[in-house]
Amino acid sequence: DTAVSQTPKYLVTQMGNDKSIKCEQNLGHDTMYWYKQDSKKFLKIMFSYNNKELIINETVPNRFSPKSPDKAHLNLHINSLELGDSAVYFCASSPRFGGGTDTQYFGPGTRLTVL
Amino acid sequence: SQQGEEDPQALSIQEGENATMNCSYKTSINNLQWYRQNSGRGLVHLILIRSNEREKHSGRLRVTLDTSKKSSSLLITASRAADTASYFCATNSGNTPLVFGKGTRLSVIA
Repeated sequence: DTAVSQTPKYLVTQMGNDKSIKCEQNLGHDTMYWYKQDSKKFLKIMFSYNNKELIINETVPNRFSPKSPDKAHLNLHINSLELGDSAVYFCASSPRFGGGTDTQYFGPGTRLTVL
Repeated sequence: SQQGEEDPQALSIQEGENATMNCSYKTSINNLQWYRQNSGRGLVHLILIRSNEREKHSGRLRVTLDTSKKSSSLLITASRAADTASYFCATNSGNTPLVFGKGTRLSVIA
């Protein structure tokens, strides 16, 4: 099936740990994104990559480091996890960046709980 | 910074009724998009309206855009229990990422 997939779906971990979330899209899109959705459902962009290059880096702590080995994958590594990192993280992709009429395709989300 | 702001925050209606959600934004846009998010799932694109369009239809969805008032509305006609979800507007302003609002949580009661 063509889609944006993320693993894991749920992630429960202790404060201070390091964890990674993986994202893959097989839609042939050039651009991928990471969003954070807090408990109030507010969706905030964190990063965007276009053809493996970082193009958007919003005000995100440098404990968060995205990595794009190829344009179909965008992984998110988080160091020294904090309680406030608990949220749902969504990966998304779009055909191009700033394409005007491009829509975004979202993955199912990864619910991160930091204890 | 947040661009879109949906109103109301939550809406509860009976099956068969129409649901109207509004979105206001602050700066000029190229287009405005509406997305739906079912509980525990990712967002799904519903409809896109360009800045030079005033109204667009897709099945039971009707979207309007008033650029002079910087506002848009999403109308779902003849609602069904399966329409229960959160609805987000997102604005595109050229070579920038989509900016999402906080969403309207719609509950359709059977």
